[in-house]
Amino acid sequence: GAVVSQHPSRVICKSGTSVKIECRSLDFQATTMFWYRQFPKQSLMLMATSNEGSKATYEQGVEKDKFLINHASLTLSTLTVTSAHPEDSSFYICSAVLGTSYEQYFGPGTRLTVT
Amino acid sequence: QKEVEQNSGPLSVPEGAIASLNCTYSDRGSQSFFWYRQYSGKSPELIMSIYSNGDKEDGRFTAQLNKASQYVSLLIRDSQPSDSATYLCAPISGGYNKLIFGAGTRLAVHP
Repeated sequence: GAVVSQHPSRVICKSGTSVKIECRSLDFQATTMFWYRQFPKQSLMLMATSNEGSKATYEQGVEKDKFLINHASLTLSTLTVTSAHPEDSSFYICSAVLGTSYEQYFGPGTRLTVT
Repeated sequence: QKEVEQNSGPLSVPEGAIASLNCTYSDRGSQSFFWYRQYSGKSPELIMSIYSNGDKEDGRFTAQLNKASQYVSLLIRDSQPSDSATYLCAPISGGYNKLIFGAGTRLAVHP
């Protein structure tokens, strides 16, 4: 149980284009999902908290107009990186909260490369 | 002071030994604590959660929590080379539903 998927697993895009990443909880409903970014040899950095049916809450320093988050259902959250630039190249990971346990289960991640 | 402190390692232990991973945190309001394992290039995997002071055992893993000392640890018994990974300590921030990750301790188990 508690399986989270992400799609795509890898994406290469050109500078200036937008990329959408999907995060799905496969066997449970998740009111809350989180989006993280991880640069090589660094720890995870929380970008935003995504709550179903409401606007995402962004961490300080994360541009909400650049990283668009939509949590339209209890099993799906999407992150769109708009007008991507090479510095946005990173490993993007989502997590979903199982019930009221506070336990977060992570998706396998999406490696974004912007050329 | 960092919110979550872990020794970055690498912690090198021989196969079959006990690996001891430590973590201190600054938020006294934290009530829930998690240990994640992250293999290189992969996403974190939840291995243990602990909410009360004391020990919690699950297979080869034992988590220990001391809220008064703001200290949480993870013991791995009978360490295997497949346990070689980075172990992330993550308390829930007091009052919020957010994990606060430490930088992680890299564990290397050598045959």
